[in-house]
Amino acid sequence: GAVVSQHPSRVICKSGTSVKIECRSLDFQATTMFWYRQFPKQSLMLMATSNEGSKATYEQGVEKDKFLINHASLTLSTLTVTSAHPEDSSFYICSARVGGSAEAFFGQGTRLTVV
Amino acid sequence: AQKVTQAQTEISVVEKEDVTLDCVYETRDTTYYLFWYKQPPSGELVFLIRRNSFDEQNEISGRYSWNFQKSTSSFNFTITASQVVDSAVYFCALSDTFYNQGGKLIFGQGTELSVKP
Repeated sequence: GAVVSQHPSRVICKSGTSVKIECRSLDFQATTMFWYRQFPKQSLMLMATSNEGSKATYEQGVEKDKFLINHASLTLSTLTVTSAHPEDSSFYICSARVGGSAEAFFGQGTRLTVV
Repeated sequence: AQKVTQAQTEISVVEKEDVTLDCVYETRDTTYYLFWYKQPPSGELVFLIRRNSFDEQNEISGRYSWNFQKSTSSFNFTITASQVVDSAVYFCALSDTFYNQGGKLIFGQGTELSVKP
């Protein structure tokens, strides 16, 4: 089956530093990847859609300069949280879609804590 | 606008009871997918089911069953003879376009199910 690997699963960083989260499709090529954010006890909200080789499309209210997304290959997308602050502490989860398919597969998620 | 509503924030049942989790959706599209996911405390999303808008047949998988009714825009999920391991947050989600945006999900607020022994 389609496997999406997300790394790291947990990260603690100091306020003001940047953190990179990787999302890899292990056994298929993902033309599109999605990044979601989930605050405690809340739902998952789409942050951005990234297509291989082009700029990501951000949802309204998501700062593109703070959440840098790079989708440089068909198997890897990265989300970099720049100058992280405690309010960025959240669960970040990616999903990857096979081109032409309506189905996307989720990674395991990354729990970010900014101290 | 597309929207998914799970009116039940928390449900608590005793083991072996049946429980139904409600999901109501809104979309202008005639073609779409509906999903249910389970999220245990570890955080990962466990895929349970996908249903496309053309298929209104109910589905049963072991103790799980789903009732899809387009007339009421509902996609309810029933767990029969619940078990403690069913305790988790359950999300209903909508993918509003088959092709161009396929895979982009709109989630409901989630229902936290607690099954007590």
